[in-house]
Amino acid sequence: DARVTQTPRHKVTEMGQEVTMRCQPILGHNTVFWYRQTMMQGLELLAYFRNRAPLDDSGMPKDRFSAEMPDATLATLKIQPSEPRDSAVYFCASGLPSNGETQYFGPGTRLLVL
Amino acid sequence: QKEVEQNSGPLSVPEGAIASLNCTYSDRGSQSFFWYRQYSGKSPELIMFIYSNGDKEDGRFTAQLNKASQYVSLLIRDSQPSDSATYLCAVTMNNFNKFYFGSGTKLNVKP
Repeated sequence: DARVTQTPRHKVTEMGQEVTMRCQPILGHNTVFWYRQTMMQGLELLAYFRNRAPLDDSGMPKDRFSAEMPDATLATLKIQPSEPRDSAVYFCASGLPSNGETQYFGPGTRLLVL
Repeated sequence: QKEVEQNSGPLSVPEGAIASLNCTYSDRGSQSFFWYRQYSGKSPELIMFIYSNGDKEDGRFTAQLNKASQYVSLLIRDSQPSDSATYLCAVTMNNFNKFYFGSGTKLNVKP
């Protein structure tokens, strides 16, 4: 049963700390998305990659957020330093353009910054 | 103006009724349209996608697309309490350009 995995599932940290979230896309998927979801803003696209290259990260606060794909099986989203307003659920999704542009979401990382 | 607009609801329908969820989008170049369902505390899951004007049916779900009016809808026939969730509309250009999600419509199906 192929699915997107994300770690950690929950993270509580203090303001100013570094947070790293990891995502393993579905094997063979070459497009990876990072989203943030809050009650106020809904689902926001932060960044996405195709074939490990960043295509768009305009939704991401550049001063504190960074996203990378060290290899085809791992995507990371890092926040440094974290702030209380970063508290949200962060979703990773993967997809394959030849598969009808469908993207499949991971279970999310629920982040709370105190 | 947001790229994708949805009424936040909640939309309440009795069990067995038809639920109609609507979505409008601003970019006339949008070509792919998706409906996702999200249960509370869970991740979005794909229900349907539609590319062409008209209707597309899958079981109890029907997606309707009208590109001239920049409007896409989702009909759920014979609504069940298990359909109670938030429904997210998403649009994109081809080749996985940016996905834009609406804020979602919360559906309550009352037994």
